[in-house]
Amino acid sequence: EAGVVQSPRYKIIEKKQPVAFWCNPISGHNTLYWYRQNLGQGPELLIRYENEEAVDDSQLPKDRFSAERLKGVDSTLKIQPAELGDSAVYLCASTSNRHTGELFFGEGSRLTVL
Amino acid sequence: DAKTTQPNSMESNEEEPVHLPCNHSTISGTDYIHWYRQLPSQGPEYVIHGLTSNVNNRMASLAIAEDRKSSTLILHRATLRDAAVYYCILRDTSGGGADGLTFGKGTHLIIQP
Repeated sequence: EAGVVQSPRYKIIEKKQPVAFWCNPISGHNTLYWYRQNLGQGPELLIRYENEEAVDDSQLPKDRFSAERLKGVDSTLKIQPAELGDSAVYLCASTSNRHTGELFFGEGSRLTVL
Repeated sequence: DAKTTQPNSMESNEEEPVHLPCNHSTISGTDYIHWYRQLPSQGPEYVIHGLTSNVNNRMASLAIAEDRKSSTLILHRATLRDAAVYYCILRDTSGGGADGLTFGKGTHLIIQP
């Protein structure tokens, strides 16, 4: 069974440019998360989806970040415009049970903003 | 979510057991103790979890104190591939807590050959 797939693995952009990250969760997992991980820190939750609905986006910087999960499967996280402080690893995770299920993480997308 | 306290780093020798401690003095009755680890350049992966009783699986063992205010992740025979950051996380499964996982900084485990 395929795990959580993310792309791109690495992205280097100049500040003020837009960037998008894509995530394909494990088949059948209704709950999808986006996390951001700064260097030397643990991952921090940005947004959680239940099917296609964003049910917890309180930590998502809404002035420049947006996310969508059309049809309740794949998800895209966008930053526009990117700032230097957005350099981080963006992780996608999915689970079959948001209360008790194991979270499966992708390998992450490492963003460097110059 | 209740918070956990872990040492920033630990060092061990290959093929020896490793005991990773975690303090969670404010744990509630509905909090499960989860451990995840993150290998270099990888996303976190599940290791083990428990509520009150000690737990064993193919990766590790989890020893939970009787008062549940602390726990220890045990790697019985560490290999170089076990070098990773280990996160101890409390997860409220009652439906009243935040969903997902709240990560701290974890313990950076270094394995010496």
